[in-house]
Amino acid sequence: DTGVSQDPRHKITKRGQNVTFRCDPISEHNRLYWYRQTLGQGPEFLTYFQNEAQLEKSRLLSDRFSAERPKGSFSTLEIQRTEQGDSAMYLCASSFPNYGTLVETQYFGPGTRLLVL
Amino acid sequence: GIQVEQSPPDLILQEGANSTLRCNFSDSVNNLQWFHQNPWGQLINLFYIPSGTKQNGRLSATTVATERYSLLYISSSQTTDSGVYFCAVERKNSNYQLIWGAGTKLIIKP
Repeated sequence: DTGVSQDPRHKITKRGQNVTFRCDPISEHNRLYWYRQTLGQGPEFLTYFQNEAQLEKSRLLSDRFSAERPKGSFSTLEIQRTEQGDSAMYLCASSFPNYGTLVETQYFGPGTRLLVL
Repeated sequence: GIQVEQSPPDLILQEGANSTLRCNFSDSVNNLQWFHQNPWGQLINLFYIPSGTKQNGRLSATTVATERYSLLYISSSQTTDSGVYFCAVERKNSNYQLIWGAGTKLIIKP
């Protein structure tokens, strides 16, 4: 399967611990997105990479959050000093722009469910 | 910022019924997409539809950009259609950042 993959699928941690999530996009996709989704809500944009460059960050991304995409392939999202309010599903998506049609579809991974106790 | 509102928030139907889901947005957008999130959380893109009408099997979508709304039609519903349907818009000058509605939760009963 060559879809977007995320690891781990589930993570339970204690408040104050650091956690790191990984996203492997579809191999030819140069754009990668991180979203956060809480129960009963739609996803909220966190950050966006084009290749290895982080081009946009949401105000939701506090200084406890950091994301990297060091070689323009996989990406990691780290949350330091986790808080109970960080409990959510963290979704990764990737895309490749079609400059001919200007259609860009984001393909989503299965998500990482984080529970902070 | 741009607001995206979806209605109804919840919908329960019998298998075989038809349904219409609505998405209103508050400002001009570059594009609009419809997604389905299955009960296990996987999001699948259904339509990329900044304007006009598209059809894919039992699903079709229409966006009237000048009036800032989009409709998703599901005909002859099946239990596998259950899940949450999201509308997401790309605001102008946004680096493809999507703004999402809160979704319509659809339950299809056998």
